[in-house]
Amino acid sequence: GEDVEQSLFLSVREGDSSVINCTYTDSSSTYLYWYKQEPGAGLQLLTYIFSNMDMKQDQRLTVLLNKKDKHLSLRIADTQTGDSAIYFCAESIDYKLSFGAGTTVTVRA
Amino acid sequence: GAVVSQHPSWVICKSGTSVKIECRSLDFQATTMFWYRQFPKQSLMLMATSNEGSKATYEQGVEKDKFLINHASLTLSTLTVTSAHPEDSSFYICSARASVQGIEAFFGQGTRLTVV
Repeated sequence: GEDVEQSLFLSVREGDSSVINCTYTDSSSTYLYWYKQEPGAGLQLLTYIFSNMDMKQDQRLTVLLNKKDKHLSLRIADTQTGDSAIYFCAESIDYKLSFGAGTTVTVRA
Repeated sequence: GAVVSQHPSWVICKSGTSVKIECRSLDFQATTMFWYRQFPKQSLMLMATSNEGSKATYEQGVEKDKFLINHASLTLSTLTVTSAHPEDSSFYICSARASVQGIEAFFGQGTRLTVV
């Protein structure tokens, strides 16, 4: 959606960390999400963060939220070839999800 | 996480015919389901929200007579594309929440519709 913006592409070397950034506009968002989509498939929920939190860590994934700047990031540690996919951030407003355009992450050997 | 199954995975139909896509929540009851459309290399566009036992709520610009949504049970919602035309060709994805306030929305695997 037009209210959620992401960079379109990210290339990262295997083993390095990936950082995907997202900005949103609606300060009333209650939850913010990261989804992963592999070719021809649906969306897989990776993680989500409540809007009153600053950070959430889940294994290789770290989500940072700067509510003042309306900026959300997803860090993937030790990126693997299986992490190649499109990553969508989304904000929840009135229980509806509004998605960014998606960041295509390519992991190179 | 919970499982949402969408069927068929892909379908090819002739222009002017109707196509029905099913979305099932397999291990939970979904009071609310959402239907999205995704164009190649683009984001998901919400088409409508369906609540079990009531009429769907369509987003602005989505033709309710063309995209018929039925949510007759707590585990099944269907999207019927009526009188399909080539411009309706797209990837359609459903998602389901266990409740209106449910934090997590689980997605089906999507249906690739091609109208020839």
